[in-house]
Amino acid sequence: AQKVTQAQTEISVVEKEDVTLDCVYETRDTTYYLFWYKQPPSGELVFLIRRNSFDEQNEISGRYSWNFQKSTSSFNFTITASQVVDSAVYFCALSDPLLQGGSEKLVFGKGTKLTVNP
Amino acid sequence: EAGVTQFPSHSVIEKGQTVTLRCDPISGHDNLYWYRRVMGKEIKFLLHFVKESKQDESGMPNNRFLAERTGGTYSTLKVQPAELEDSGVYFCASSQAWASNEQFFGPGTRLTVL
Repeated sequence: AQKVTQAQTEISVVEKEDVTLDCVYETRDTTYYLFWYKQPPSGELVFLIRRNSFDEQNEISGRYSWNFQKSTSSFNFTITASQVVDSAVYFCALSDPLLQGGSEKLVFGKGTKLTVNP
Repeated sequence: EAGVTQFPSHSVIEKGQTVTLRCDPISGHDNLYWYRRVMGKEIKFLLHFVKESKQDESGMPNNRFLAERTGGTYSTLKVQPAELEDSGVYFCASSQAWASNEQFFGPGTRLTVL
């Protein structure tokens, strides 16, 4: 069965610190997709990144970077020089279209609440 | 381009009452999904429409929940009768293509059952 584990329930940092949000996933298939979403206080889920299981290259987008390691089934998210506006709940998710008959439904972790203090 | 919209943003009802949530996906998106997050738990899949057809409703908790997508445009999710455990945030998402696409989420409807 598919499962996403975000072991960190809450993290609190001071502005300008770097912070890494952990995500560990389980799936039986070799083809899958991993996602990160951000949920700011306003409530909507904002898409941050999608990663194909065949692409293990790390990705950097501004202050955000993602480290995908199939060997450890992890897809960790790092925010460099955090800012107060980064405060939100961050969700890691997994999609496995082949196993699910093409439904593309997302399996989410419980989320990590990040608080960046000034 | 307008994003996914949901109505209402917040609903407070009493146990036993009926509530209908609405989702308007992004125009042209054939795929529409409903998810739910109960307080402190994961966001969980409820069901998936492709146009007006239910592709996957494996996440629907029980027969008190009825989802429709007449005409393949907006969708409604009705809870009848509502129970206390139905409280949570109901998210709708839509996507454009069949496989491997980004799902755009709406702001969610917070349902509180008293």
